[in-house]
Amino acid sequence: DQQVKQNSPSLSVQEGRISILNCDYTNSMFDYFLWYKKYPAEGPTFLISISSIKDKNEDGRFTVFLNKSAKHLSLHIVPSQPGDSAVYFCALGTGANSKLTFGKGITLSVRP
Amino acid sequence: ETGVTQSPTHLIKTRGQQVTLRCSSQSGHNTVSWYQQALGQGPQFIFQYYREEENGRGNFPPRFSGLQFPNYSSELNVNALELDDSALYLCASSLRAAEAFFGQGTRLTVV
Repeated sequence: DQQVKQNSPSLSVQEGRISILNCDYTNSMFDYFLWYKKYPAEGPTFLISISSIKDKNEDGRFTVFLNKSAKHLSLHIVPSQPGDSAVYFCALGTGANSKLTFGKGITLSVRP
Repeated sequence: ETGVTQSPTHLIKTRGQQVTLRCSSQSGHNTVSWYQQALGQGPQFIFQYYREEENGRGNFPPRFSGLQFPNYSSELNVNALELDDSALYLCASSLRAAEAFFGQGTRLTVV
């Protein structure tokens, strides 16, 4: 059973526009939500997180939105830059320092 | 402050052999988790160590085992390697908070 779903395997956007990456989950016990970016031949790099007590967290060009009732998480990148081209994973946890359950990832391509 | 480092970066093993992968956690981090990432998939949790004790395990058979040392570095051991064990193995360290920081991974190929 797939508890975390990233249904779109890829996304292509024009430089300067907004990138919206989505993530859906089924287990309401998840209470910590993270996004990681991964380049080829590197490990995932932590981007931004949000806890279940918030519905939005912003860090520079990156904003994460959480809709607990819909069990939906999204990452907005604005403006998108070619260097943002990578695979993005949502990762969900229950409690402090629990195991993380990852989605399959979305490949983002930002066209110059 | 040093990040998470893993060794080796690549290795090739024969089916049935045993392998040990190593991870040095980020300075000050007392928790290490191991993940397996198969091609086209997200990382899957193998197990976690906190202060040298196993602190949770994913759906992996007992031939996957681990250790954490007093300096919080860690090893992942896999016995009786199978072809399906071919994957990227990722180590992540953290400080009892959910933001885990990953190493670059070890690419294991079983032939």
